[in-house]
Amino acid sequence: AQSVTQLGSHVSVSEGALVLLRCNYSSSVPPYLFWYVQYPNQGLQLLLKYTTGATLVKGINGFEAEFKKSETSFHLTKPSAHMSDAAEYFCAVSGPGANNLFFGTGTRLTVIP
Amino acid sequence: NAGVTQTPKFQVLKTGQSMTLQCAQDMNHNSMYWYRQDPGMGLRLIYYSASEGTTDKGEVPNGYNVSRLNKREFSLRLESAAPSQTSVYFCASSELAGGPAEQYFGPGTRLTVT
Repeated sequence: AQSVTQLGSHVSVSEGALVLLRCNYSSSVPPYLFWYVQYPNQGLQLLLKYTTGATLVKGINGFEAEFKKSETSFHLTKPSAHMSDAAEYFCAVSGPGANNLFFGTGTRLTVIP
Repeated sequence: NAGVTQTPKFQVLKTGQSMTLQCAQDMNHNSMYWYRQDPGMGLRLIYYSASEGTTDKGEVPNGYNVSRLNKREFSLRLESAAPSQTSVYFCASSELAGGPAEQYFGPGTRLTVT
């Protein structure tokens, strides 16, 4: 069975500050991990994903995430927040043989000018 | 390419009415999905179709039916709408079912059942 926990349903940061959104997963098989972003009144779009290989994954818009197997974590970071980063962010997990993604409950990011 | 398209964008139904949400993709993807999104609950899978001709239940299938009409189209039907089905519905597609495949999402249908 696979599941995802996102700590913090709301995160606020100042413009220019570090963004850190937390994701912990549970998986009985080697996981594939994803971060999606949803802007207001839109569908989700992929930010980045980890499948195999390098554990530090770079995505679009300056975001990156690090797969840490020992901590079962896949936290999303961005060194300097921009106003356009305000959105809801979803972590998701899949695995070999799985037919679908399992999503976390989401974290709403607010960027304060 | 339009990607994943959904119709309608908004819908208001009365309890007991029926309706079909339409979804189409032009990326030649094999797999398609229907999710519902509710505040504080993230996205929950209703049904998916791993390939043309197959459909399977997801986490919350009760009250819904689906049809994979062809490779491009995957519709979701509410036979007798209930207020608990008030939600935002997203269709998605991917090249393969699950695994490392990225899912591409449509813009959503906002449904209110009164």
